Amino acid sequence: GQNIDQPTEMTATEGAIVQINCTYQTSGFNGLFWYQQHAGEAPTFLSYNVLDGLEETGRFSSFLSRSDSYGYLLLQELQMKDSASYLCAVMDSNYQLIWGAGTKLIIKP
Amino acid sequence: GAVVSQHPSRVICKSGTSVKIECRSLDFQATTMFWYRQFPKQSLMLMATSNEGSKATYEQGVEKDKFLINHASLTLSTLTVTSAHPEDSSFYICSAKRGPDTEAFFGQGTRLTVV
Repeated sequence: GQNIDQPTEMTATEGAIVQINCTYQTSGFNGLFWYQQHAGEAPTFLSYNVLDGLEETGRFSSFLSRSDSYGYLLLQELQMKDSASYLCAVMDSNYQLIWGAGTKLIIKP
Repeated sequence: GAVVSQHPSRVICKSGTSVKIECRSLDFQATTMFWYRQFPKQSLMLMATSNEGSKATYEQGVEKDKFLINHASLTLSTLTVTSAHPEDSSFYICSAKRGPDTEAFFGQGTRLTVV
């Protein structure tokens, strides 16, 4: 079966850096996505990796290693507003998104 | 970025009635739209995939006669929850894609409460 693994919860301090890992087992691969979801709201798109390497967008960066079926989301200079759930999703060979359960990120002052 | 508008954002209905939720792509044509359900503290659960002009493809365990999906145009898909019951209370989210290998953009979500 298809599976996405990411930590259930992480805690970090304001101003620090946190890395959220994601490993996957899917039928084919057409990209790894990260979404941010605040409680009670719909997810918002953060990043998309289809080639190996690091993609940087402001304070957020996303990394992909296809040979390891692994990626991560790196959040720098954490702010209180970054407290949210972060969803990892992989697009399979049918171009369907397979979702992880999400990582709840708690930011402490 | 692309904008997907979902309406209504919140709805309360009586048990036994039907509720329609709209999902519109405002500034792009969506070849494919997805409907998700999300229970508290859980990830998104795909209910169905709809392509414009064709019947929706439902995931296993989702009752197609209860959750009616219509994708009449490239910018509009609707989800109708028929004969709603309290256990249908949930957060329903739609997403839309321009093409098969593009990212999905989400609507704001609809909080459905059946009383």
